Amino acid sequence: DAKTTQPPSMDCAEGRAANLPCNHSTISGNEYVYWYRQIHSQGPQYIIHGLKNNETNEMASLIITEDRKSSTLILPHATLRDTAVYYCIVRVPGTNAGKSTFGDGTTLTVKP
Amino acid sequence: SAVISQKPSRDICQRGTSLTIQCQVDSQVTMMFWYRQQPGQSLTLIATANQGSEATYESGFVIDKFPISRPNLTFSTLTVSNMSPEDSSIYLCSIQQSGNLNIQYFGAGTRLSVL
Repeated sequence: DAKTTQPPSMDCAEGRAANLPCNHSTISGNEYVYWYRQIHSQGPQYIIHGLKNNETNEMASLIITEDRKSSTLILPHATLRDTAVYYCIVRVPGTNAGKSTFGDGTTLTVKP
Repeated sequence: SAVISQKPSRDICQRGTSLTIQCQVDSQVTMMFWYRQQPGQSLTLIATANQGSEATYESGFVIDKFPISRPNLTFSTLTVSNMSPEDSSIYLCSIQQSGNLNIQYFGAGTRLSVL
């Protein structure tokens, strides 16, 4: 799996957009980008994934650069409940999803 | 999405004892995974539990310390044996969604403290 690099922490004002970057410069052509988050005292929660096109769902948007070497998770209107650790993972879909490497992630703190 | 129930949610145990953690899923899944999350750290995969075969352990984890059962497609247990304070962690059960999307779902975790 390609290695990812994320900033250790970020702050965001409530109601504003939170933009969380992830660098995956060694990503290979068949690897997808997945985002998860872990709210305190809970298990990780799937947010979104993509290959090369931008994706949007009810939780967030995922912007992947054209060269696919980086991506940004966007929470359009952050709330206090979005305070969590956000993990960016890169891997090939298929078996052995459990072997997804969870790095240190980004701790997002949403402030009133 | 799948619903994953873990028991117990937390426990405080004495050194040298063992604790069995249960993971129940509301649908049949082929692959289940057990993770450890030490205080302030990220997740580390302990093993993959496949129904009908022995669990596959990651480097640094052994069956004698973390025996796993997988009696059917909706249930698994992880036992933390002969515990020491260094085993104090959150233990998480996870499954892979069927199909090829590679999306994982996690239980809420078991918070273990060893005295």
